[in-house]
Amino acid sequence: NAGVTQTPKFQVLKTGQSMTLQCAQDMNHEYMSWYRQDPGMGLRLIHYSVGAGITDQGEVPNGYNVSRSTTEDFPLRLLSAAPSQTSVYFCASRLGVTQYFGPGTRLTVL
Amino acid sequence: GNSVTQMEGPVTLSEEAFLTINCTYTATGYPSLFWYVQYPGEGLQLLLKATKADDKGSNKGFEATYRKETTSFHLEKGSVQVSDSAVYFCALSKGSSASKIIFGSGTRLSIRP
Repeated sequence: NAGVTQTPKFQVLKTGQSMTLQCAQDMNHEYMSWYRQDPGMGLRLIHYSVGAGITDQGEVPNGYNVSRSTTEDFPLRLLSAAPSQTSVYFCASRLGVTQYFGPGTRLTVL
Repeated sequence: GNSVTQMEGPVTLSEEAFLTINCTYTATGYPSLFWYVQYPGEGLQLLLKATKADDKGSNKGFEATYRKETTSFHLEKGSVQVSDSAVYFCALSKGSSASKIIFGSGTRLSIRP
């Protein structure tokens, strides 16, 4: 099993550009989520999904969209990037109470 | 609401020292409690967990006991190694498969040789 994979590892955007962060898992987990990690703030939940076709907002959803067309994939879209979205983004899937994290995407918005 | 508070870092220790990282929580009912570890440049990994009061989670020499009376889940290790240098996150979940996981802000641990 590859576990949870994320692409790209690094990305630099200009303000106003859009992009999609990819996340995939091969463990057949129903629950997936996206977090952002900022210094001194731990992980904050952006969006999550409890299964294909079902998504919901987390703590900091503004400026981000998600979709869940398959169990495996859970992409995160930045509609119009802003410097405040500079962060490290982690995707995770979950089985029971245990979360499995991807390696992260480091995003810089200039 | 539910929350997790953990000691601020950074924490710097010498190799073979005793480690304690404090974590307290606020939640109704009986949440599950976790410690995650993040090594440099990597995602978080589950280190240990406890799902009910008085349970002790343990892994790789680390231990934490679920204390309902003090709403705490402190992480301990008797003798740290340089390879333990990482950021440690305390977290809680209310336990259902759809419930959210709440993370603390993380504690950076550095071990000197």
